[in-house]
Amino acid sequence: GAVVSQHPSWVICKSGTSVKIECRSLDFQATTMFWYRQFPKQSLMLMATSNEGSKATYEQGVEKDKFLINHASLTLSTLTVTSAHPEDSSFYICSASYRREILVGANVLTFGAGSRLTVL
Amino acid sequence: LAKTTQPISMDSYEGQEVNITCSHNNIATNDYITWYQQFPSQGPRFIIQGYKTKVTNEVASLFIPADRKSSTLSLPRVSLSDTAVYYCLVGVDFNKFYFGSGTKLNVKP
Repeated sequence: GAVVSQHPSWVICKSGTSVKIECRSLDFQATTMFWYRQFPKQSLMLMATSNEGSKATYEQGVEKDKFLINHASLTLSTLTVTSAHPEDSSFYICSASYRREILVGANVLTFGAGSRLTVL
Repeated sequence: LAKTTQPISMDSYEGQEVNITCSHNNIATNDYITWYQQFPSQGPRFIIQGYKTKVTNEVASLFIPADRKSSTLSLPRVSLSDTAVYYCLVGVDFNKFYFGSGTKLNVKP
């Protein structure tokens, strides 16, 4: 249970174009989804938190006009990298939180497989 | 969220038990400790979660001392496929999940 599907797994685009990455929760409703960015040999950096039906909350230093996040339903969140440039090349990972056991423990994250973006 | 500190890297050999310790000195009373594993070019996956004492599942054990200021992830009899980065996170009812630097475990034959 608690599976998150992320597409595409890799994408190559030209500088100046926009790229959309989809993140779907397959067997549960994800009220909150998280988008991370990871550069080679580095840890995951939280970019933004998206809540269904409301605007995403971006972390400091993340350009909200460049990284558009839409969470229109309880099972789908999208990240659009607008006017991509080579410095946006990275590994983007979405995740959703869920409760493994009702009334016990804290929420945990389930992650998508990640999307490797290469901007030429 | 409580800040966590882990060793940057660890080496081990196949068949050995590996213990990775995470320090979280300012853990709050209601915080839980959760560990994740990440292979290259993949999203992390949940390993284990605990609050106090010891928790064991089919892949790992988590030891938490009484003061809860640290925790130790124990991987029994590691294999080459356990080579990965391991992250510990501390919090409860997470509204945001921040990852620390993690521990790169390298299992050698």
